[in-house]
Amino acid sequence: EVQVVESGGGLVQPGGSLRLSCAASGFIFDDYWMHWVRQAPGKGPVWVSRINKDGSNTTYADSVKGRFTISRDNAKNKVYLQMDNLRGEDTAVYYCARAGSSSWYGWFGPWGQGTLVTVSS
Amino acid sequence: DIVMTQSPDSLAVSLGERATINCKSSQSLFYSSNNKNYLAWYQQKPGQPPKLLIYWASTRESGVPDRFSGSGSGTDFTLTISSLQAEDVAVYYCQQYFTSHTFGGGTKVEI
Repeated sequence: EVQVVESGGGLVQPGGSLRLSCAASGFIFDDYWMHWVRQAPGKGPVWVSRINKDGSNTTYADSVKGRFTISRDNAKNKVYLQMDNLRGEDTAVYYCARAGSSSWYGWFGPWGQGTLVTVSS
Repeated sequence: DIVMTQSPDSLAVSLGERATINCKSSQSLFYSSNNKNYLAWYQQKPGQPPKLLIYWASTRESGVPDRFSGSGSGTDFTLTISSLQAEDVAVYYCQQYFTSHTFGGGTKVEI
């Protein structure tokens, strides 16, 4: 069974840092791009970042560029999101999602259950 | 940035009836070199992550019931549920992947 499981969320003060992890199983991890997508309470999903199969290519939404860093460890079947200089508007459930296809990164296939990040003093 | 606009915001449909959700993009999602529209549809039930239903505007994901269908091209797209079932109550989102990734505002489907 294809599965992605996020961890690492929590309460953090503005300006603080947090590192999210995503553990993948049930598929050949290094055959797929991976994404992070967030969803604020009562709002629609918003794409945050993506990373290619070998970790050499990363892309970010403008709202997080320069503050967030995506990475992956193919030996451990894990992808990470390092979040620095957090702001209140970063408060959301953060989802890890596998690309829907091994040949294209555009849409999102299996999603995890998400991990809640709350930025507040 | 490409803006995705969904309509209506919500709709109530009787069991067994058809539900139609519209999605409009601010620029064309059609790429002529491969004849594909770069659009996906998702279903999100309360307390759950979004679930992929359709990609390339009309290709149903494996395991998705055939009462779900996607159509449209260019800037105008439609998700149709041909015969609404109780388990289809959810919020539905369109998402473009022509340039980066952008979601629509969602359409809530109720009985």
